[in-house]
Amino acid sequence: GAVVSQHPSRVICKSGTSVKIECRSLDFQATTMFWYRQFPKQSLMLMATSNEGSKATYEQGVEKDKFLINHASLTLSTLTVTSAHPEDSSFYICSASPSSGVYNEQFFGPGTRLTVL
Amino acid sequence: QKEVEQNSGPLSVPEGAIASLNCTYSDRGSQSFFWYRQYSGKSPELIMFIYSNGDKEDGRFTAQLNKASQYVSLLIRDSQPSDSATYLCAVNMVTGGGNKLTFGTGTQLKVEL
Repeated sequence: GAVVSQHPSRVICKSGTSVKIECRSLDFQATTMFWYRQFPKQSLMLMATSNEGSKATYEQGVEKDKFLINHASLTLSTLTVTSAHPEDSSFYICSASPSSGVYNEQFFGPGTRLTVL
Repeated sequence: QKEVEQNSGPLSVPEGAIASLNCTYSDRGSQSFFWYRQYSGKSPELIMFIYSNGDKEDGRFTAQLNKASQYVSLLIRDSQPSDSATYLCAVNMVTGGGNKLTFGTGTQLKVEL
């Protein structure tokens, strides 16, 4: 149980294009999903908290117009990196917290490695 | 002071030994505590969580929580080379708001043959 998928696993794009990443909870409902970014040899950095049916809450310093988040259902959240630039190249990881969870545990997807040329 | 603090390591232990990973946190009102394992180039994997003072055992892993000292640890018995990874401590802090987790920077564990 508690499986989270992400798609795509790897994407290479040209500077200026937009990239959409999907995060799905496969065997549970998730009222809340989270988006993280991790640069090489650094820790996880929370970008935003996504709640089903409402606007995402962004962490300080994260541009909400650049990183668009949509959480349309209890099993799907998407992150769109708009007008991507080389400095956006990173490992993007989503996590999902079961709606039925009591202790706010989070289960992570396998991550999406984004390379912007 | 960092909100969740871990020694970055690397912590090297011989195969078969007990590995002890430590974590301290700043928010005394924190409710639940998590240990994640992250292999290089992969996403974190939940090992176990604890919310009551004392020990919680799951197979070769034991989590220990001392809320008075604001300290949580993870013991790995009979360490194997496959345990070599970065171990992340995460805390559900009251000041974090809602159900966010605050992560430490992780401790790199190396289990040597």
